[in-house]
Order: sequence, then structure tokens, then C-alpha cells
Amino acid sequence: AQTVTQSQPEMSVQEAETVTLSCTYDTSENNYYLFWYKQPPSRQMILVIRQEAYKQQNATENRFSVNFQKAAKSFSLKISDSQLGDTAMYFCASSNTGKLIFGQGTTLQVKP
Amino acid sequence: ETGVTQTPRHLVMGMTNKKSLKCEQHLGHNAMYWYKQSAKKPLELMFVYSLEERVENNSVPSRFSPECPNSSHLFLHLHTLQPEDSALYLCASSQALASGGVGEQFFGPGTRLTVL
Repeated sequence: AQTVTQSQPEMSVQEAETVTLSCTYDTSENNYYLFWYKQPPSRQMILVIRQEAYKQQNATENRFSVNFQKAAKSFSLKISDSQLGDTAMYFCASSNTGKLIFGQGTTLQVKP
Repeated sequence: ETGVTQTPRHLVMGMTNKKSLKCEQHLGHNAMYWYKQSAKKPLELMFVYSLEERVENNSVPSRFSPECPNSSHLFLHLHTLQPEDSALYLCASSQALASGGVGEQFFGPGTRLTVL
């Protein structure tokens, strides 16, 4: 069975600093997708970044980038130049066979 | 209107009531999902509909009954709920891929349900 683990329930970072959120997963599939979702206090879940497992190059989206280590089944999210609007709960997720499996989430607080 | 919408946004109901949650997606997707989000717990996948057929039912109690009349609409009918069913219920949609995988899921704002 697929599992996703986020070992950091809460994290904080100073505005403009860099923070890395950890995620590990377990799957027996060769082809799968990995996602980071953000859920701000307003509760609308939105996609931050997506990685396809067959691509070796790490995905980047502006200030957001991932460190995808396929052999180690690790998929961490790096947020550079943190902004107050980055305060949210972040969920790591993996997918194959038509459904997403989510981790427990990491609450990130960006401090001014 | 764009994206995924959910109504109502907040719902308070007694244990003997019958109510329904509604979800509508305007993205042309062919798969829709219901999730339950409780405090301090991961999102729990409840139901998956792909091409209007239910393809996943994660051992959800029968007091939750989904309905997908077409690819744009998804309902969750609630009956005789328990206080522990109080949670945020999220709807999502995506485009199922030919490879069998799932693309990005787009989420609605959720319905905050309180069962008294």
C-alpha cells in the first residue's frame, strides 16, 4: 500500500529566509506522481508543485522547488525568500492508480 | 464560474437529520472525489468517481451516500450522522490519465460540517 509521511507537524521561518519541508513516501509502482499542496487558513487547497517520477530533473515553480530523491523515496519542498502569504498547511501527496495519498501535513508559520 | 464550488460552506445538523452536500466543477474533468479532513489527521479519501462510475469506496459508513449524476456534479447525502462525523468535507476533481494515473486535483473550498 502507498504511504506518505511528513515528519514535521509544525515549522516556522523568518520572512525572506529559506525553509525545507520533508516528505517520504512508499510505493511499489514505477510510474507515479508526487505533489505538494498548500492549504492556507482560508481552507482552499491549491497545488504548489508537481513532480513526475520518471523525470530526474527536480521541478521548480518560482520560489518553490523540490528535492526528489527517487531511490530514497524522498520528496522535500524548499521555499525560498519566504513570504507572509506562505503561511499555511502543506501536504505532500503521491498518486497512481487514480487516487492521491496524502501525508499528515506540516503547518508552516512565516514570521515577520 | 470557474474551478470547483461547494455548497453549503457551513452546515450544522442533528443526528436525525438528512442533508446533502453539493459539489460542482467547471473544469471539464472526468473524475471527482470526496475527502474528509479532521483536525490533526491526514485527508481521508472517501469516494472516487471516474466517468460517473464509482471506482473507490474506502470503507465509508453507509450513512454517507454519494451520487454523481454527471461529470460536473457530485453529491454527498448525509443521514443519521454521529458527532465524530464533524469535519471539513472537501470535493476535488481531476482529469484521469490514459496511463491510469491521475493528474492534478483541483479542490473546492470545503463544507464545514458540525453534527450535534
